[in-house]
Amino acid sequence: DTGVSQDPRHKITKRGQNVTFRCDPISEHNRLYWYRQTLGQGPEFLTYFQNEAQLEKSRLLSDRFSAERPKGSFSTLEIQRTEQGDSAMYLCASELGIYNEQFFGPGTRLTVL
Amino acid sequence: GENVEQHPSTLSVQEGDSAVIKCTYSDSASNYFPWYKQELGKRPQLIIDIRSNVGEKKDQRIAVTLNKTAKHFSLHITETQPEDSAVYFCAASSDFGNEKLTFGTGTRLTIIP
Repeated sequence: DTGVSQDPRHKITKRGQNVTFRCDPISEHNRLYWYRQTLGQGPEFLTYFQNEAQLEKSRLLSDRFSAERPKGSFSTLEIQRTEQGDSAMYLCASELGIYNEQFFGPGTRLTVL
Repeated sequence: GENVEQHPSTLSVQEGDSAVIKCTYSDSASNYFPWYKQELGKRPQLIIDIRSNVGEKKDQRIAVTLNKTAKHFSLHITETQPEDSAVYFCAASSDFGNEKLTFGTGTRLTIIP
């Protein structure tokens, strides 16, 4: 499969626990984005990588959120001390960098109890 | 920052009729405007996009128009079919640095057989 993949697809956790999600972009795509989507809304930008450099973080992203892309390939998004308000679909998208076309992964649905 | 508004939020049309979804944006620096289709429980998928140097683009039954002066763009679907039923999102971005997408709130399109 040459598309964007995300793991896990679903995650249920208790409030206060830490969770980590993984995104594998399309091979050779140098740009990688994380978005969050809540029910009935469009995706909202969280953060963005060009290769391994994290170039921007949204004001939506509290200090409990951290993202990495250590070798410029896959990326991880960690949420510490989860809260019920973190429940959402977390989407990853990748882009070749010159065409603006972002390809989305299937998302990780997080439920915080 | 960019703000994208989308109307209507829901739209029902008879099979075979046309559907039109409209979006406005606020940032005059935006120059890339994609449309995504999202079926229930699935990832957003790019269906058509337009750049600011083009006023209209067509791909079979789907067309997008852009009015940069008025800062609005529209999606037109002709000869609608039941498989067109989904949520459609418009988005805007620029190609200056971070090409994050700012999404509209979505339009739930229902095709009535």
